Amino acid sequence: GAVVSQHPSRVICKSGTSVKIECRSLDFQATTMFWYRQFPKKSLMLMATSNEGSKATYEQGVEKDKFLINHASLTLSTLTVTSAHPEDSSFYICSARPRGVKNTEAFFGQGTRLTVV
Amino acid sequence: SQELEQSPQSLIVQEGKNLTINCTSSKTLYGLYWYKQKYGEGLIFLMMLQKGGEEKSHEKITAKLDEKKQQSSLHITASQPSHAGIYLCGARGGSQGNLIFGKGTKLSVKP
Repeated sequence: GAVVSQHPSRVICKSGTSVKIECRSLDFQATTMFWYRQFPKKSLMLMATSNEGSKATYEQGVEKDKFLINHASLTLSTLTVTSAHPEDSSFYICSARPRGVKNTEAFFGQGTRLTVV
Repeated sequence: SQELEQSPQSLIVQEGKNLTINCTSSKTLYGLYWYKQKYGEGLIFLMMLQKGGEEKSHEKITAKLDEKKQQSSLHITASQPSHAGIYLCGARGGSQGNLIFGKGTKLSVKP
C-alpha cells in the first residue's frame, strides 16, 4: 500500500516555542491531507483539511493562528504548533488520499507525540 | 453529524480465543474502514467495506458490514499476542471527505 511518512515521531519542546510536523506521501500525490489529534480514550478528531495550493480548512474550535498548516506541494503538508502550551501536548496524526482515486482507504502517517514542558 | 459507537471499549482475552468487536453508526455507512493502532503509533489499514452484507477476511481477521449498512463487526479467530492493540472503525462522513472514527477498542491478549 501507499506510504505516508510523518516526522518527527516524538518531540519535546518548551512552552512558548513552535514545533513543525511534516507529513509526506512517499509514492503518490495527494491534493488533500488531513490532520487529526488524538486524545486518550477518545476518537481521532479532525483538526483541519490541508489542500494543495490553497488555504487549509479548519474545524470548529481549532485556532488557525495557533495550528498553522501549509500544503506547499502534492506530497508535503506541514503542521506548525505555534507558541506551544502544555495543553497542546497530544498525539497528532496525518492522513492522505491518493489524488484522483475514489473510494480508497486513507493512508496514515506514524503520528507525532508532542510533549510541551 | 454521524457518530460511530464501538463496543466493547476494552477487551482482555486468552490467547487462542475468538473475539468480536462491533461498530454501530448513527447513519448509513458509505465506506466503513477498520484500522489497528499500537499505542503511540500510526494506523494500520485492515479492511474496507462498502456493500451491504459484504464480508472480507485477511488471515485470522474477518470484517462484516450488515445489510442495512449501519453496523459492522470485526472478528478475530484464535487470537494471538500480536493481535493486541487498539482497533478503530472509521467511516466516510466528514464534511471535508475525511473519515470520522469511533473511540476504539483496546484489545489485550494474554499468553
